[in-house]
Amino acid sequence: SYELTQPPSVSVSPGQTASIPCSGDKLGDKYVYWYQQKPGQSPMLVIYQDFKRPSGIPERFSGSNSGNTATLTISGTQAMDEADYYCQAWDSNTVLFGGGTKLTVV
Amino acid sequence: QVQLVESGGGVVQPGRSLRLSCAASGFTFSSYGFHWVRQAPGKGLEWVAIVSYDESKKYYADSVKGRFTISRDNSKNTLYLQMNSLRPEDTAVYYCAKGLKPVTGGGLDYWGQGTLVTVSS
Repeated sequence: SYELTQPPSVSVSPGQTASIPCSGDKLGDKYVYWYQQKPGQSPMLVIYQDFKRPSGIPERFSGSNSGNTATLTISGTQAMDEADYYCQAWDSNTVLFGGGTKLTVV
Repeated sequence: QVQLVESGGGVVQPGRSLRLSCAASGFTFSSYGFHWVRQAPGKGLEWVAIVSYDESKKYYADSVKGRFTISRDNSKNTLYLQMNSLRPEDTAVYYCAKGLKPVTGGGLDYWGQGTLVTVSS
């Protein structure tokens, strides 16, 4: 079965760039979506169709997808960006989520 | 504004049933596919099921296939999840989420606040 793999954690200093990878076999052939979830809150879509930002999502959030890896990039990371991030794709009419990455801003 | 409000969670014994509901407002409910996604305590997101805009197509995760049934009532702007033969491993917060598309494909652009289901004797 198809799997999406994310590192459990990523650390970044305030103001720096954070990159969160999501890997899967030929993932570049699929659309990837990214969600942010802060403690005690519901997930929120931050990137759709690999790189598009929903209304209201800051420009510092961007995405890319090529080969076997999709990447969520947060430029000028702020303390408020500390959260869990999940990648998502479709396979055979089912939704797959990556295991999630905890982004720590220190 | 878009609102999704889940209800129906609670504590239930293994082997019993429970039905979750999700009331939607603020958009044309009948135009979009809808999902249930769950999250066990301290764990990641697990997709459960999707129903198409017209209820003609339904797809399930292997972990719930044959036990859970997703449905919708477009006249009531409400999504449902009938959960039978519940197991302790079904314990989770259950979220309803609006799909970006009428059927499959796309992301999940709005999520409810979640309802907790605890399966325990």
